[in-house]
Amino acid sequence: DAGVTQSPTHLIKTRGQQVTLRCSPKSGHDTVSWYQQALGQGPQFIFQYYEEEERQRGNFPDRFSGHQFPNYSSELNVNALLLGDSALYLCASSLAGRASNYGYTFGSGTRLTVV
Amino acid sequence: AQSVTQPDIHITVSEGASLELRCNYSYGATPYLFWYVQSPGQGLQLLLKYFSGDTLVQGIKGFEAEFKRSQSSFNLRKPSVHWSDAAEYFCAVTPGNNNDMRFGAGTRLTVKP
Repeated sequence: DAGVTQSPTHLIKTRGQQVTLRCSPKSGHDTVSWYQQALGQGPQFIFQYYEEEERQRGNFPDRFSGHQFPNYSSELNVNALLLGDSALYLCASSLAGRASNYGYTFGSGTRLTVV
Repeated sequence: AQSVTQPDIHITVSEGASLELRCNYSYGATPYLFWYVQSPGQGLQLLLKYFSGDTLVQGIKGFEAEFKRSQSSFNLRKPSVHWSDAAEYFCAVTPGNNNDMRFGAGTRLTVKP
């Protein structure tokens, strides 16, 4: 049973560029949440997708956007990259309405470096 | 404001010694509480969770945590630490059905031989 898969594992981008990160949820899960984890910090909630719609959003600018596909996989897009966007981006999957009950299953993350 | 506080940034213990990692939360009602562990370069693994009922919960890898409503705390414990427990530990909360899981800043555990 595959867990949460994220790609790529690492990437380097230049300021002002755009980036797309990808996530495949754990088998049987239909909800995907994205988190940003800056070095030495706890993960910060970006947004959550369910039924191909953004269900909830954290305190992140509109430069951060996402998408969920019919197969429940998801993308995180960040436009106009800033140096401060350098972080580990974590994808977490769960069952709808049960995220609070059962917790999330996390992927290993994508390490984004903006230079 | 809703928050999760892990007062200890870094803790060092000797292998075989007991461990307690602290977590305090600030929410209007009793939230759902979690502890996660993160090894270097890895994602987060769920250790244990608390929703209701018995305030002492058992998790994987020999960890346990105790919920104390009067102190708004959910401290993680292990009676005997192993070298493989060295990692970053995060306390997290979700306020009921809200899907915004909030994490503390983490506690880094170093285990001395």
